[in-house]
Amino acid sequence: DTGVSQDPRHKITKRGQNVTFRCDPISEHNRLYWYRQTLGQGPEFLTYFQNEAQLEKSRLLSDRFSAERPKGSFSTLEIQRTEQGDSAMYLCASSLTGTGYSPLHFGNGTRLTVT
Amino acid sequence: KQEVTQIPAALSVPEGENLVLNCSFTDSAIYNLQWFRQDPGKGLTSLLLIQSSQREQTSGRLNASLDKSSGRSTLYIAASQPGDSATYLCAVIGVGNQFYFGTGTSLTVIP
Repeated sequence: DTGVSQDPRHKITKRGQNVTFRCDPISEHNRLYWYRQTLGQGPEFLTYFQNEAQLEKSRLLSDRFSAERPKGSFSTLEIQRTEQGDSAMYLCASSLTGTGYSPLHFGNGTRLTVT
Repeated sequence: KQEVTQIPAALSVPEGENLVLNCSFTDSAIYNLQWFRQDPGKGLTSLLLIQSSQREQTSGRLNASLDKSSGRSTLYIAASQPGDSATYLCAVIGVGNQFYFGTGTSLTVIP
């Protein structure tokens, strides 16, 4: 169990550029979540997957955001035409869900700065 | 929509003191509640998970309690140490399968 890993740790981009982040969950975990966190706030839900199916997407997520989880393993989060308001920490988490809910495990996040 | 509130927003205590962090939630139909610790610029580290059927969980110097009917949870930290300084967040999961987070309590333990 190597934990949840995210890549890259930091990303600086110019407004209008596209960025893609990767998340590798704990291997046996079937649920994968993406959250966004800004300074002084708790994590804000973006979307989650059960295996390869994207089951829910926040209404706050504009159509510039898209996430995939091919084959139910790693996941990518893409932001197109980035805006300064997209600057935040993007957190990935995974859990094992069967008859109940196991603890949520987070990666160290990708910090995005849009200049 | 579930709303989670954490009070106080910030807390500063001398080393060795026992302390209590509070978490309240508006919808009592939850499956579980989880407490996390977050160090600056880092992700969240899971501390304790309480299933909805449980009243409390303990790990070392940490004890978390859950009162579903009143929509409250507390995290008790015994004999605080400077290494406990961090932001503590609680999260609940219920119908809808989302984890809802509070804004956290920033704890500073003064040596």
